[in-house]
Amino acid sequence: EVQLVESGGGLVQPGGSLRLSCAASGFTFSTYSMTWVRQAPGKGLEWVSSITDDSSTIHYADSVKGRFTISRDNAENSLYLQMNSLRAEDTAVYYCARHGWLDYWGRGTLVTVSS
Amino acid sequence: EIVLTQSPATLSLSPGDRATLSCRASQSVGTYLAWYQHKPGQAPRLLIYDASTGATGIPARFSGSGSGTDFTLTISSLEPEDFAVYYCQHRSNWPPLTFGGGTRVEV
Repeated sequence: EVQLVESGGGLVQPGGSLRLSCAASGFTFSTYSMTWVRQAPGKGLEWVSSITDDSSTIHYADSVKGRFTISRDNAENSLYLQMNSLRAEDTAVYYCARHGWLDYWGRGTLVTVSS
Repeated sequence: EIVLTQSPATLSLSPGDRATLSCRASQSVGTYLAWYQHKPGQAPRLLIYDASTGATGIPARFSGSGSGTDFTLTISSLEPEDFAVYYCQHRSNWPPLTFGGGTRVEV
């Protein structure tokens, strides 16, 4: 069974940093591109970043470019999102999803940016 | 950037009704379009990809159609568990990947 489990969310002050993790199981993680998607309170889904299976190609939404860094460790079956210079508008539930079409998603981890 | 516009924003229906949801793209996406169902506190679920192909395990009452700029998700007969928010998403000529604003199907 494919499982994606996000962790690392929490409350952080504006300008602070957080590192999100996504633990993958039930499939050959190293052969899939992966994606982060977020949902701000009361809003729709917003694509954040994607990374290919071998980390050779990475894309970011303009809203996070230069502040967020996506990475992965195929030996650990893990996906990461390093978030720096956080802003109030980054407050959201962050989901990891298996790319191609986003056929499997985790349940998300909540990031709250507030003083 | 390709913009996806979903309509209506809210659809008020009853169990057993037919639901028809629309997604319009600002430029052609071919058939590179998917539909997702999202319930509060749960992971989004892929329903339809490549505009009309049902994802694994998705009931036959869900169907997708369209190509180019106009797409439709149809739920033939609403079950109680189908009341949720539905999003379309493209992956043509990305980045960025974009989602529509969503359609809430409510009782």
